[in-house]
Amino acid sequence: EVQLLESGGDLVQPGGSLRLSCEASGFTFAGHAMSWVRQAAGKGLEWVSTIHANGDYRQYADSVKGRLTISRDNSKNTLHLQMNNLKAEDTAIYYCAREGHPSPGYDSFDIWGQGTMVTVSP
Amino acid sequence: DVVMTQSPLSLPVTLGQPASISCRSSQSLVYSDGETYLNWFQQRPGQSPRRLIYKVSNRDSGVPDRFSGSGSGTDFTLKISRVEAEDVGVYYCMQATHWPLTFGGGTKVEIK
Repeated sequence: EVQLLESGGDLVQPGGSLRLSCEASGFTFAGHAMSWVRQAAGKGLEWVSTIHANGDYRQYADSVKGRLTISRDNSKNTLHLQMNNLKAEDTAIYYCAREGHPSPGYDSFDIWGQGTMVTVSP
Repeated sequence: DVVMTQSPLSLPVTLGQPASISCRSSQSLVYSDGETYLNWFQQRPGQSPRRLIYKVSNRDSGVPDRFSGSGSGTDFTLKISRVEAEDVGVYYCMQATHWPLTFGGGTKVEIK
């Protein structure tokens, strides 16, 4: 079964750091671009970041550029999101989502994880 | 950034009746390869989003054929031919032609 399992969400103070992980199973992880999408409580979906299958190409939303870093370890079938200098507005459920293609954009978000909650509060 | 505008915000529907959601983009979603990267997602209450339609009109595996997508350029539509109780939730359009990727604000489908 194709599956994405996020972890690492927590309560953190403003200015703090957190590292999210997304473990993939049931498919060839190295053959797919991967993304993070977030959703604040009661709000819509917001794309955060995307990484190419080989890890060489990354894109970020302006709202997170310079603070959040996407990475992947294809040997461990795992996607990461390093979150630094966190702000209250980063509070959201963070989903990892698969692209059905090695390059991003062509087959976006065909599989989603269950999400992990990040709360930024004093 | 490409702005995706959905309407209506809320859509009360009678069971068995059709429903239609509009999605308009602030610029053309036709990519240089000739494809249009417009997707539709369903998010049922308390669940993760699920993709229904990709590249305007292609249904994902397992998606009932009562769901259909159409449109071109900047104007797109998701139709449900006969709404069932399990279709309750929020529907989002999303464009992947231009960076940054952007979603519509969502349309909440509920049963009258």
